[in-house]
Amino acid sequence: QSVLTQPPSVSGAPGQRVTISCTGSSSNIGAGYDVHWYQQLPGTAPKLLIYGNNNRPSGVPDRFSGSKSGTSASLAITGLQAEDEADYYCQSYDSSLSGSVVFGGGTKLTVL
Amino acid sequence: EVQLVQSGAEVKKPGESLKISCKGFGYRFTSFWIGWVRQMPGKGLEWMGIIYPGDSDTRYSPSFQGQVTISADKSISTAYLQWSSLKASDTAMYYCARQATPGHAFDIWGQGTMVTVSS
Repeated sequence: QSVLTQPPSVSGAPGQRVTISCTGSSSNIGAGYDVHWYQQLPGTAPKLLIYGNNNRPSGVPDRFSGSKSGTSASLAITGLQAEDEADYYCQSYDSSLSGSVVFGGGTKLTVL
Repeated sequence: EVQLVQSGAEVKKPGESLKISCKGFGYRFTSFWIGWVRQMPGKGLEWMGIIYPGDSDTRYSPSFQGQVTISADKSISTAYLQWSSLKASDTAMYYCARQATPGHAFDIWGQGTMVTVSS
């Protein structure tokens, strides 16, 4: 059971908007620690998608955006494309676990 | 180019020892943390631990404490993950990744090392 909770799957048609939630607690997201998001395409290493809650690394399309409020965070993808079909993971820091990095369980995005 | 290059796939028997590596290129290796992440077949990402090669400060996930050893040799810009006695349940892909501080994102990832443990 992951410290950060994500829905196992989400889906959307090309061109639509989807969101993926990441729910934590008062010792991680709620404590003010940043949330980061990764995209993992099939058979590849994870890639940083969003850092510091809502910042995109160079090269990441602006169709991807992040937000954070309270003990939760969200990743939004607009203008869904077939190439967005992947697994998405959130990550934060947890002060209750002796300096632990924590990941969400991952969400499989299916483009219909 | 900033990159992390991991050692190749391994096939081992239960009870054997193993040390896999992660070499940094294109940046000051001693100024960033290196984390290790496990991904079992068909499963999600699990944080195992991190090391700061500058002073070898090492932190482990409670789930992996005592099960693996993380180390680094800053003279050759390489971090390591090792097991003294492998189990079948250690079969997984292992990734190393760079992190500015434990609270920051992993901005650079290695390509992964597949470890298969089977009798």
